[in-house]
Amino acid sequence: LAKTTQPISMDSYEGQEVNITCSHNNIATNDYITWYQQFPSQGPRFIIQGYKTKVTNEVASLFIPADRKSSTLSLPRVSLSDTAVYYCLVGARGSARQLTFGSGTQLTVLP
Amino acid sequence: DGGITQSPKYLFRKEGQNVTLSCEQNLNHDAMYWYRQDPGQGLRLIYYSQIVNDFQKGDIAEGYSVSREKKESFPLTVTSAQKNPTAFYLCASFRNPDRDEAFFGQGTRLTVV
Repeated sequence: LAKTTQPISMDSYEGQEVNITCSHNNIATNDYITWYQQFPSQGPRFIIQGYKTKVTNEVASLFIPADRKSSTLSLPRVSLSDTAVYYCLVGARGSARQLTFGSGTQLTVLP
Repeated sequence: DGGITQSPKYLFRKEGQNVTLSCEQNLNHDAMYWYRQDPGQGLRLIYYSQIVNDFQKGDIAEGYSVSREKKESFPLTVTSAQKNPTAFYLCASFRNPDRDEAFFGQGTRLTVV
């Protein structure tokens, strides 16, 4: 399983763009990168998934460089409600597998 | 509505007692997972099951047991051998052919009194 490393915490202000980087140096060829968001006392929820280059959906963008050894989750114009823990996961797609969550990044959005 | 349901939301247990946490899903997912989360910490994998009648230990399986007799159900028993069972327990199901996405229940907060 590819190990991931994220910052423990980040602070931002409302309206700013936030970029959270995840390091995964031993990512395998068939691994995808997936990000989840967790609010207190709730289960995590899926945000975005990608394999290479850039993926964008209605809530976030995911940037993956050519070597795929890291990835960056970008949240545009954050609000107070984006305060949460963000987890980066790496693993093969399309098969049931062990889903391993690290410690995540606590994002705090300030007014 | 399809989803994953955990019950109860809050559970109190006396020391030395076994207790079973329920997890049911109607998403027709093959894989199901149990995680433990302590305050301020990430999720730690207890057990997971990829198919009915089969399951594997995660990182912290000691003191826990599971069964997977039906595709829809994956109950977790916290036994008296678990030395520090007070925690937030999360169940998830997984398998989406178009997009890898784990769906989580709302969790069960277990407190040993």
